[in-house]
Amino acid sequence: DAKTTQPPSMDCAEGRAANLPCNHSTISGNEYVYWYRQIHSQGPQYIIHGLKNNETNEMASLIITEDRKSSTLILPHATLRDTAVYYCIVSDRGSTLGRLYFGRGTQLTVWP
Amino acid sequence: DSGVTQTPKHLITATGQRVTLRCSPRSGDLSVYWYQQSLDQGLQFLIQYYNGEERAKGNILERFSAQQFPDLHSELNLSSLELGDSALYFCASSVGQGINQPQHFGDGTRLSIL
Repeated sequence: DAKTTQPPSMDCAEGRAANLPCNHSTISGNEYVYWYRQIHSQGPQYIIHGLKNNETNEMASLIITEDRKSSTLILPHATLRDTAVYYCIVSDRGSTLGRLYFGRGTQLTVWP
Repeated sequence: DSGVTQTPKHLITATGQRVTLRCSPRSGDLSVYWYQQSLDQGLQFLIQYYNGEERAKGNILERFSAQQFPDLHSELNLSSLELGDSALYFCASSVGQGINQPQHFGDGTRLSIL
């Protein structure tokens, strides 16, 4: 079951940074934080994941608080194509089971 | 393009029928996952295969079954279809079997039961 809490919706102006929060207050030491997004009925797309350090790739940055109870996904310069549902998922790093539990996510709308 | 191919893209059938959904994983990926997405339930994990063996089961109905073949493609069989089975069915693949690797999703099969 989903172990994260996200706001149901957010919006952002094109060209500005989009900061999407996620609360995972029951996270344990060996659990990763994953972010995926789904653009209108397409297959979910992997964005980024992290354990305790902040991570950055070509799509986004992931900031994890020191106590690991929350994180923020940052899209530095949002475009209209970033409008999507963003899912924050916590899963067991050590598990051999790869299943992902998706919650309801955050609907991000980027406006011109 | 994720590299995961699902066929068919759309499927329309009637209650009581049986259908087969097909998935070809990315080249080199050994794990295949199936997910169902309906309006009221969101994205739900169904089942995972790794190198031909079933590894994990989620909320998969007994009327549904899956398998992964030696060439690593997978099929999801849905039988005795009901109206409530109308949904998007996604396949994903990853290199290994654990959660420490990203999953790459196909574009899904939209199943409509009339």
